[in-house]
This record gives sequence, C-alpha cells and structure tokens, in this order.
Amino acid sequence: EPEVTQTPSHQVTQMGQEVILRCVPISNHLYFYWYRQILGQKVEFLVSFYNNEISEKSEIFDDQFSVERPDGSNFTLKIRSTKLEDSAMYFCASSTGTGANQPQHFGDGTRLSIL
Amino acid sequence: AQSVTQLDSQVPVFEEAPVELRCNYSSSVSVYLFWYVQYPNQGLQLLLKYLSGSTLVKGINGFEAEFNKSQTSFHLRKPSVHISDTAEYFCAVLSYNTDKLIFGTGTRLQVFP
Repeated sequence: EPEVTQTPSHQVTQMGQEVILRCVPISNHLYFYWYRQILGQKVEFLVSFYNNEISEKSEIFDDQFSVERPDGSNFTLKIRSTKLEDSAMYFCASSTGTGANQPQHFGDGTRLSIL
Repeated sequence: AQSVTQLDSQVPVFEEAPVELRCNYSSSVSVYLFWYVQYPNQGLQLLLKYLSGSTLVKGINGFEAEFNKSQTSFHLRKPSVHISDTAEYFCAVLSYNTDKLIFGTGTRLQVFP
C-alpha cells in the first residue's frame, strides 16, 4: 500500500537556525497538509496546500513557516528561525481530494528537537 | 469553532476484555467524525469514520464506533482487545467547509496480558 514518507525521522537543530522537513506524499494525491504534535498535547493543524498554493493555515503558521512543492514529488515545511517551542513531532499528510470521502493519509512524522 | 474532548488520557485493560474509548465533540456546524490510531513510532492510521447514515460504523482491527448526535459523542469500542491494540487513539472532527482535522488529546490504550 502506498505510503507518505517523511525524512528525517529525527532532526536536532540549534535555536535560531533554519530547518526544512521533507515529505513525499502518495503519488496520485493532490492535497497536502502539515500537522504538529507538541509532546503531551493534541495534534494541531498547521497548513493545507493545493495547486501550489496554501488553501488554509492556522494561527500557528506565522511568517516563520513556509511550505513548498519544489518538484513533482516532494512537499517541504521550512521553519526560518527556530524557537524552543517549535520542538514537536511534525506530520505530513496527503489526500486525493477534499472532504471526508478522501481521507488524509499520514506519514510517520519527523521529531524536531530545538536546543 | 470545533473542539474534541477525549475524557480518558489512559485506559488500562487486560487482554480479551472489552474496551470503550470516549470522545465528545462540540461544533456549531455539521461535522464528519474520525478515529485514528498511532502505534509506537508510527504515524496516524485511519481506524474508521462516520459520514452519514447508520450511526454504528465498523472499522479495521475489529473496532467500531457509535455516533450519538444528541449527546455529541462518538465512542470507540472493541469487544475483545489484543496486546497488539496497545497504541494511542485519537478522535477527530472535520467540518463540511474545511480540510482541517481537529483532534482530541488522545487516549493511550494499554493492553496487559
């Protein structure tokens, strides 16, 4: 069964540094998402992306964050200047379409640790 | 705005016993309802979903959930659990006009032999 793959599985970065988290969505999926889960807290939506544009974003997704689909297969989340509170598990997801009939498929996540 | 409350952060249970994981939601608009499971060091996997129709929905691995509109609940049940069901379970809602899944805080199901 096709999977969403995320790399790296664990990223350790110094505060203030830029970090790029990478995702390869399922190949025929057109809608892409990032969520994050701070340790011990709920999974939170960050952003959705379709047709090379952000469709929706949360209040968490401020100017420090950006997303990109640099080629036909990758979907990236960039954090420009990391803060301690950015430490979390970041999940990428993809779907064929919108709505509940096209469920979002999640990757295994990237654990981001900011020192 | 929508919110999801999972009343139990941890549920310990012995193997072959029944289990219910509780989920309540709040929303001013109609929503779809989901349960996801997260096994250790893995991503979120869809267990089941409620869109419309029959209020009892069946999912993978023998799980089922019942939608109760009057109580705004969507509790997850399994009549007999296995050790392999040990995982974190997340209830989530999706409103009709967005693709933003709203998750609860999760319930850790620990199955003991």
